[in-house]
Amino acid sequence: QVQLQQWGARPLKPSETLSLSCAVSGGDSFTDHYWSWIRQSPGKGLEWIGEINHSGTTMFNPSLKSRVTLSIDKSRKQFSLRLTAVTAADTAVYFCARSVTVARGITFDFWGQGALVAVSS
Amino acid sequence: SNVLTQSPSVSVAPGQTARITCGGNDMGSKSVHWYQQKSGRAPVLVVFDDSDRPSGIPERFSGSNSGNTATLTIRRVEVGDEADYYCQVWDSDSDSHVVFGGGTQLTVL
Repeated sequence: QVQLQQWGARPLKPSETLSLSCAVSGGDSFTDHYWSWIRQSPGKGLEWIGEINHSGTTMFNPSLKSRVTLSIDKSRKQFSLRLTAVTAADTAVYFCARSVTVARGITFDFWGQGALVAVSS
Repeated sequence: SNVLTQSPSVSVAPGQTARITCGGNDMGSKSVHWYQQKSGRAPVLVVFDDSDRPSGIPERFSGSNSGNTATLTIRRVEVGDEADYYCQVWDSDSDSHVVFGGGTQLTVL
């Protein structure tokens, strides 16, 4: 069974940088999948942020692309999210998740436990 | 771009059948995935590719997709099925490509 354990959430002030990491354990090869970040806020619901694979290939939600950096450490089976210049609108619960390619597009079959990041002055 | 429309809430008695719909443009041409999210927890994938179930998901959960509407059907509803349910598609025409519905709160009376 695949498990994703995330950490790094802390309260932020506007203009600061959000940093989260996610460790993967169990299941099949880490390198066979893409790994995503998804956030959930009361105002915008679930929002996909982007994904990365073992070779560092990324895809982003264009609305966040300019502020997002994804990185990966395949030796540790970990991946990370950085979101710069946060505002109150970035307040959300952030999830890491495993992306799976399906018949048409992708779905997310395993998720981390989620972490609330609150942005407030 | 595709906007996925879900009814905010559905109520059903235990043992009955719940149907949760997800409407969007030309849904039948897309693969629809469904997630169950219980309060304070991460979403769990319950149906993918319109009607397939991941390992461990009860057969009571099923899905269909045709025209402009996809449907998640939960038969013999249990109190433990009470949760928010979200649909999701990949839409190459939308900016973000990954599109989620707004969610439906299932209440088991």
